Amino acid sequence: DAGVTQSPTHLIKTRGQQVTLRCSPISGHKSVSWYQQVLGQGPQFIFQYYEKEERGRGNFPDRFSARQFPNYSSELNVNALLLGDSALYLCASSGTTGSYEQYFGPGTRLTVT
Amino acid sequence: AQKITQTQPGMFVQEKEAVTLDCTYDTSDPSYGLFWYKQPSSGEMIFLIYQGSYDQQNATEGRYSLNFQKARKSANLVISASQLGDSAMYFCAMRWSNYQLIWGAGTKLIIKP
Repeated sequence: DAGVTQSPTHLIKTRGQQVTLRCSPISGHKSVSWYQQVLGQGPQFIFQYYEKEERGRGNFPDRFSARQFPNYSSELNVNALLLGDSALYLCASSGTTGSYEQYFGPGTRLTVT
Repeated sequence: AQKITQTQPGMFVQEKEAVTLDCTYDTSDPSYGLFWYKQPSSGEMIFLIYQGSYDQQNATEGRYSLNFQKARKSANLVISASQLGDSAMYFCAMRWSNYQLIWGAGTKLIIKP
């Protein structure tokens, strides 16, 4: 079975632009979480979606938004990019919103210049 | 406030030796879960082991074991018989509420041949 997939793998954007990152969870998983990992730090929680509804949001500005589709895939959108948004963006899927085990994708490395 | 602390930024260990990675946590919630993840240079987070706050026995998964000391709020990872492939970043994380993982800053482990 395929694991969590994310696209694109790498992305370079300019300050002020908008970006969309995509994630497909493991087949049968209904929950998707997004994390931002700045170089040299641990990940920071951004969002969790379960059954197309937002179940949790971390301490990120409104420039960050996400959605989950009927097939449980998800998109993370970031508007008005700042240099500080440069990071590895990780997507994780789990069976339920309370499931203890989250499976991570390979991440999307975003560079903002 | 919930917090995870990893006090070892980096460790060098001789191949085949056992290694202990430290993790302390802070939470006032009686129900929580503690995780260890491995992150190779490729960036993907690999789940290693999980310990629930109500679990009576320490978790074990192959060469990985979790030394859970609830009174001390400590959840150290022990890797027995280290291998060159164990070289990576290691993160301790705590599940908070039903959806959010709070992460430590990580420990960079280097196994020497």
